[in-house]
Amino acid sequence: EAQVTQNPRYLITVTGKKLTVTCSQNMNHEYMSWYRQDPGLGLRQIYYSMNVEVTDKGDVPEGYKVSRKEKRNFPLILESPSPNQTSLYFCASSLRGATDTQYFGPGTRLTVL
Amino acid sequence: RKEVEQDPGPFNVPEGATVAFNCTYSNSASQSFFWYRQDCRKEPKLLMSVYSSGNEDGRFTAQLNRASQYISLLIRDSKLSDSATYLCVVAPGGGSYIPTFGRGTSLIVHP
Repeated sequence: EAQVTQNPRYLITVTGKKLTVTCSQNMNHEYMSWYRQDPGLGLRQIYYSMNVEVTDKGDVPEGYKVSRKEKRNFPLILESPSPNQTSLYFCASSLRGATDTQYFGPGTRLTVL
Repeated sequence: RKEVEQDPGPFNVPEGATVAFNCTYSNSASQSFFWYRQDCRKEPKLLMSVYSSGNEDGRFTAQLNRASQYISLLIRDSKLSDSATYLCVVAPGGGSYIPTFGRGTSLIVHP
């Protein structure tokens, strides 16, 4: 089954404790991205990747890191989480880029205390 | 980057009604347009792409008006299962790779 998976689905952590949210897709898509969704603000892109070893900032990259060492995986790293990073996070992939259909993972609900 | 604007609603309609949503965008270089559906904080899923000539998929019709820079979604014969948030998405041209999501329009279909 073609899908995007994310782990963990739910995470409660404390300020400053490094965490990684994994994302994997099995569709051989080139483009992958991370979004956060907050009430009243809609989906905002954090980082995107056009291909292996090619990443770039989205609209709200501060406080986040990403890597793309393999085509299928695109982890999101929070080196020192803060309460304002409490949000619902979605990973997405598409065949080539932003003009193609985005396929989303199920989401990760992160709470930073 | 410029915005994508949607009426947040909620649109509260009875079963069987016809309802229409609009979405305006301000970047005239935008290339691709989509409607996604999102249920109760689950992941967004593609409802339909929007083509210049307009397109229809069953009870759903999408239109693009480049001159006035808006896209629309028409839902005919609304079902209870159509209750969701509908997200307008605009993908840019000009070398940008960041799609812009509207904040969504909430639809509630009641018996």
